[in-house]
Amino acid sequence: GAVVSQHPSWVICKSGTSVKIECRSLDFQATTMFWYRQFPKQSLMLMATSNEGSKATYEQGVEKDKFLINHASLTLSTLTVTSAHPEDSSFYICSAGGPNRVGPYEQYFGPGTRLTVT
Amino acid sequence: QKEVEQNSGPLSVPEGAIASLNCTYSDRGSQSFFWYRQYSGKSPELIMSIYSNGDKEDGRFTAQLNKASQYVSLLIRDSQPSDSATYLCAVRRTGGFKTIFGAGTRLFVKA
Repeated sequence: GAVVSQHPSWVICKSGTSVKIECRSLDFQATTMFWYRQFPKQSLMLMATSNEGSKATYEQGVEKDKFLINHASLTLSTLTVTSAHPEDSSFYICSAGGPNRVGPYEQYFGPGTRLTVT
Repeated sequence: QKEVEQNSGPLSVPEGAIASLNCTYSDRGSQSFFWYRQYSGKSPELIMSIYSNGDKEDGRFTAQLNKASQYVSLLIRDSQPSDSATYLCAVRRTGGFKTIFGAGTRLFVKA
């Protein structure tokens, strides 16, 4: 499989501040990256899809001005949670897609970032 | 109707038994199907992908796909306590990356 890293793995911030989370594909070029959020005991919720060099596509109900996504290169995407509130506390997971050697594109997940807003 | 449906479980099986996980999907245009394993507090890990009808085996795991019935399953043979996790079924249409995930089935393998 391919390796996707995220940084930081966990972060605690105060309400009203902004937090940036980085997602990197380490051994392949990711044409597309996805950002998910997962609340405890719930499934993954897709927040947005980003393609390198273009604007992200946000899912319905996700505020694009609050969750800023930048996909400036084929190996790096960032998610910035602006003016964070306690209800933004969650597990944020990125995934990256790119052609594999065998067949259709597969998606690989980063280890996730646990955000706690106090 | 949810796009990807899974029984939330928990599914409890004894060590050494076969665990059978099921998933149905609503979009007939779906072409790619995946099973992910997620341990508590961790991100999902891809364990199987299947693209055509029939069975695909990889070690103790077998994925089964029936597009006519819009059904995909995962069998885990010789289940081990380390297999205890939530298993996510994921489905994707042709020509894109957007993947729809089911809510997951929690599996407990009792030693």
